[in-house]
Amino acid sequence: DGGITQSPKYLFRKEGQNVTLSCEQNLNHDAMYWYRQDPGQGLRLIYYSQIVNDFQKGDIAEGYSVSREKKESFPLTVTSAQKNPTAFYLCASSEGQRDYSNQPQHFGDGTRLSIL
Amino acid sequence: EDQVTQSPEALRLQEGESSSLNCSYTVSGLRGLFWYRQDPGKGPEFLFTLYSAGEEKEKERLKATLTKKESFLHITAPKPEDSATYLCAVRGAGGSKLTFGKGITLSVRP
Repeated sequence: DGGITQSPKYLFRKEGQNVTLSCEQNLNHDAMYWYRQDPGQGLRLIYYSQIVNDFQKGDIAEGYSVSREKKESFPLTVTSAQKNPTAFYLCASSEGQRDYSNQPQHFGDGTRLSIL
Repeated sequence: EDQVTQSPEALRLQEGESSSLNCSYTVSGLRGLFWYRQDPGKGPEFLFTLYSAGEEKEKERLKATLTKKESFLHITAPKPEDSATYLCAVRGAGGSKLTFGKGITLSVRP
């Protein structure tokens, strides 16, 4: 079955530690996205990538980093500079490289990150 | 800046009691309005895309409509399995990013 796989489902971070969240898709989608979801707030865009080896900052990129070395993979690193990392992190993908692509985004089932 | 406001924040219905969820938006050059369903602890599941005022889409007990300022998700004769959070998002002419509302939590009692 085609889809988006996020791992791990739960992750705990210690003070001063960087952690990496995995996102893999087998939908052959060009574009991939990372969102953060907090209780009572809408999804907020962290980073997005429309093509391999290229990515752009979203609305809340500070304290996060990404890479896009392969079309199917878009890992997110939460660095120690992110002072409030506790949240539900969602990865999404969509067809099309163009900015005006009107294809819907499809989501994985998320990673819940907590502080130890 | 694109904005999306969803109302009410929460809605409790009796099974079979039809109702509507509202999504009001402001966007520069609407490229698409998207509805998603999200179950607890899961990622959002895509339901509909609407592109222009007057457009309607249906799927089982759900029907989405669009005007120039808002979208409605009508739920006809809901069942307990329709209980979920419903998210609305818009994409404007400025780029590929989506702007999401905070969601509406629907609870359907048997």
